[in-house]
Amino acid sequence: DVKVTQSSRYLVKRTGEKVFLECVQDMDHENMFWYRQDPGLGLRLIYFSYDVKMKEKGDIPEGYSVSREKKERFSLILESASTNQTSMYLCASSLTGSEMYYGYTFGSGTRLTVV
Amino acid sequence: GENVEQHPSTLSVQEGDSAVIKCTYSDSASNYFPWYKQELGKRPQLIIDIRSNVGEKKDQRIAVTLNKTAKHFSLHITETQPEDSAVYFCAASRGLMRFGAGTRLTVKP
Repeated sequence: DVKVTQSSRYLVKRTGEKVFLECVQDMDHENMFWYRQDPGLGLRLIYFSYDVKMKEKGDIPEGYSVSREKKERFSLILESASTNQTSMYLCASSLTGSEMYYGYTFGSGTRLTVV
Repeated sequence: GENVEQHPSTLSVQEGDSAVIKCTYSDSASNYFPWYKQELGKRPQLIIDIRSNVGEKKDQRIAVTLNKTAKHFSLHITETQPEDSAVYFCAASRGLMRFGAGTRLTVKP
């Protein structure tokens, strides 16, 4: 019944490494999002995509990039991991409707530790 | 952009009591307000939502109210149970969703 799958549940990487976080959804949703979740800060939007090959910066895009080559897959890339990127990363997807908005379906999250 | 504030950050109630979580938003064009529940170690899950053309919505023990004029909305949980213990997030959207910082609800047996 899993609809949004994140490839790794836990990840430990070294400072300076290039890190790829993968997200796949099987609901044919147009929209996909990457958030990071930190205690007391809630969910902050990193990047989002409304269509294949399309990407838009969210509120905290610095140090991150994304790729969406296929509708079902949205990848988050940490170009050079730093310790302040240690966090829980949540992927989400949603439908698009004219004048109507839909709730997000979240993945289980990837807890990334950068050492 | 949209800014969502959520209060309180932690809430502890006795089983059977009611719990209320409040959120305010800044963008008057926001028209969709979902609430998510995140249990420990699990993904956030949508529990109820309300659109701007509705003032109140109820689903069993959960209700949400919206005051567009004041730009605030609230989650009400009645007859709380230990399994209601979780972190609750509010959000506001007019396309892109912005989340509050979360409320950790603890229901004591």
